[in-house]
Amino acid sequence: GAGVSQTPSNKVTEKGKYVELRCDPISGHTALYWYRQSLGQGPEFLIYFQGTGAADDSGLPNDRFFAVRPEGSVSTLKIQRTERGDSAVYLCASSPWTGGATDTQYFGPGTRLTVL
Amino acid sequence: AQTVTQSQPEMSVQEAETVTLSCTYDTSESNYYLFWYKQPPSRQMILVIRQEAYKQQNATENRFSVNFQKAAKSFSLKISDSQLGDTAMYFCAFMRDSNYQLIWGAGTKLIIKP
Repeated sequence: GAGVSQTPSNKVTEKGKYVELRCDPISGHTALYWYRQSLGQGPEFLIYFQGTGAADDSGLPNDRFFAVRPEGSVSTLKIQRTERGDSAVYLCASSPWTGGATDTQYFGPGTRLTVL
Repeated sequence: AQTVTQSQPEMSVQEAETVTLSCTYDTSESNYYLFWYKQPPSRQMILVIRQEAYKQQNATENRFSVNFQKAAKSFSLKISDSQLGDTAMYFCAFMRDSNYQLIWGAGTKLIIKP
């Protein structure tokens, strides 16, 4: 079946603008995760959804970042008043909910965000 | 707080050789999970192998195996009979038993030369 998809693949914006990044998880996966990967580094956790609710948003860096998953499937990561430091690849992953930490997280190809 | 360290920024080997990538981690947890992910230029993270800390037996997946040393907090990845398609960034990651965040190392760039 189809894997995790993310759109757009690349996004260039200007400092101060608002952006939305979309993630479409694997069908039937109830858990969804967002990570941010800066150049030359490993990913950093941002937020985790179980169904429609954000079960853990402890990784969001500040209140300019917000994510939603209104119907428990597609998720949108929203960044307000973008800053140059927000430039990174934003990765989305999904996993089936078996109730254990051994769920494999399946990743999408990411959205490369560049803030000029 | 948990940390993951990959001390080799880049490695290069000839095709068909065996290569070992290093990873160390720091945690006070007794039960946790360790992972190796591969990230080719397409950017998509692909799970290579997973190890549960409570299992003493080292995980293996075809040409990929790990050397898990719990006391030393070491988790190295061995790739046997390396192939050109193994060229990628390799990331070591840690997950506590009590939540679902993956904590990642900085990665090792592996180049397989023909």
